[in-house]
Amino acid sequence: AQKVTQAQTEISVVEKEDVTLDCVYETRDTTYYLFWYKQPPSGELVFLIRRNSFDEQNEISGRYSWNFQKSTSSFNFTITASQVVDSAVYFCALSGVTDSWGKLQFGAGTQVVVTP
Amino acid sequence: SAVISQKPSRDICQRGTSLTIQCQVDSQVTMMFWYRQQPGQSLTLIATANQGSEATYESGFVIDKFPISRPNLTFSTLTVSNMSPEDSSIYLCSCRVSTDTQYFGPGTRLTVL
Repeated sequence: AQKVTQAQTEISVVEKEDVTLDCVYETRDTTYYLFWYKQPPSGELVFLIRRNSFDEQNEISGRYSWNFQKSTSSFNFTITASQVVDSAVYFCALSGVTDSWGKLQFGAGTQVVVTP
Repeated sequence: SAVISQKPSRDICQRGTSLTIQCQVDSQVTMMFWYRQQPGQSLTLIATANQGSEATYESGFVIDKFPISRPNLTFSTLTVSNMSPEDSSIYLCSCRVSTDTQYFGPGTRLTVL
């Protein structure tokens, strides 16, 4: 079975600090996708990034960066110079080929609180 | 990408009644999904809505409680039947696009009294 672990329940930072969210996954699939989603207080789920299992390149998008390490089954997410608008719950998710392609297994989520 | 709308955005319902949630996608998609997010929790998949066939339900979810329709490639409905306070959740629909990314609707916040 697939599993996604986000061990950090809540992280509180002051604006302009960096924050790193951990995500560890388990899967028997050799082909799979990893995702990060943001859920602000309004409740909608905003897609941030998709990474496939064959692409271990790290990615940077503005203040966001992602570190995918297959050797440790981790897909960590860093927000640089955090802002109040980054306050949200962030979910890591996994989709594999064995357990019905397209079905997402979500982690528990990490609440990020950014204070001015 | 895909733009998804849901109706209603929120509702307050009485115990024992049913509510049907509509999900509309702005393009044709093969796979649509329904998720439940209980208060303070993560998302759990209820079922995969297949066009032209019955929905595929996850363990712990049954068709009698959560009937789903998928009449075409852009639309689906989820009904929450015979509601109880434990059904109070956010219900989200999503679709999978050709890039294998799933996009989500804004969610329906349901409160059952």
